[in-house]
Amino acid sequence: AQSVTQLDSHVSVSEGTPVLLRCNYSSSYSPSLFWYVQHPNKGLQLLLKYTSAATLVKGINGFEAEFKKSETSFHLTKPSAHMSDAAEYFCALTGGFKTIFGAGTRLFVKA
Amino acid sequence: DGGITQSPKYLFRKEGQNVTLSCEQNLNHDAMYWYRQDPGQGLRLIYYSQIVNDFQKGDIAEGYSVSREKKESFPLTVTSAQKNPTAFYLCASSIGGDESDGYTFGSGTRLTVV
Repeated sequence: AQSVTQLDSHVSVSEGTPVLLRCNYSSSYSPSLFWYVQHPNKGLQLLLKYTSAATLVKGINGFEAEFKKSETSFHLTKPSAHMSDAAEYFCALTGGFKTIFGAGTRLFVKA
Repeated sequence: DGGITQSPKYLFRKEGQNVTLSCEQNLNHDAMYWYRQDPGQGLRLIYYSQIVNDFQKGDIAEGYSVSREKKESFPLTVTSAQKNPTAFYLCASSIGGDESDGYTFGSGTRLTVV
């Protein structure tokens, strides 16, 4: 069975401080993993993807994620939060012919 | 620029009425998808299509119907059988059916029952 668990429904950080959004997965296959961002009343935008190449994946807007097979994790990080990063973030997994999304983590950025 | 266009952005449905949500892509992607998004529930798959003239039910297909007569178009009809249709609907596409390149999403249609 495949599953994606985003460990925090809400994360709040101050502008200029690091961001950590946590995602654990379960998959019987070698998975492809993704992070998407969604601003209010918008569609989702692909931030980055892991597809069995380098385990540290760099994405857009300064985000990156590290694939850790031993921990079955794919956490999203950013060294310094910006106000424009406030949004909802979704971790997703594809292992075969179906994509599974996590429930989402809402990121709040305080000035 | 290539992308996915969903229309309308907002849609209001009366009880017992069928409504159709439009989704058009100019990315030359083979596969297209419809998701429903409710607050706190993430995305749930309604229908998907990997090639023209073929589509499969997702996890919550009851009360919905689709067609895929052209590669570029994948309209979703919300029928009167869908008892709780108020939600944000997202259309997506991927290059191939194995989804390993990820999705491109449209900007969504917010449907409200009045």
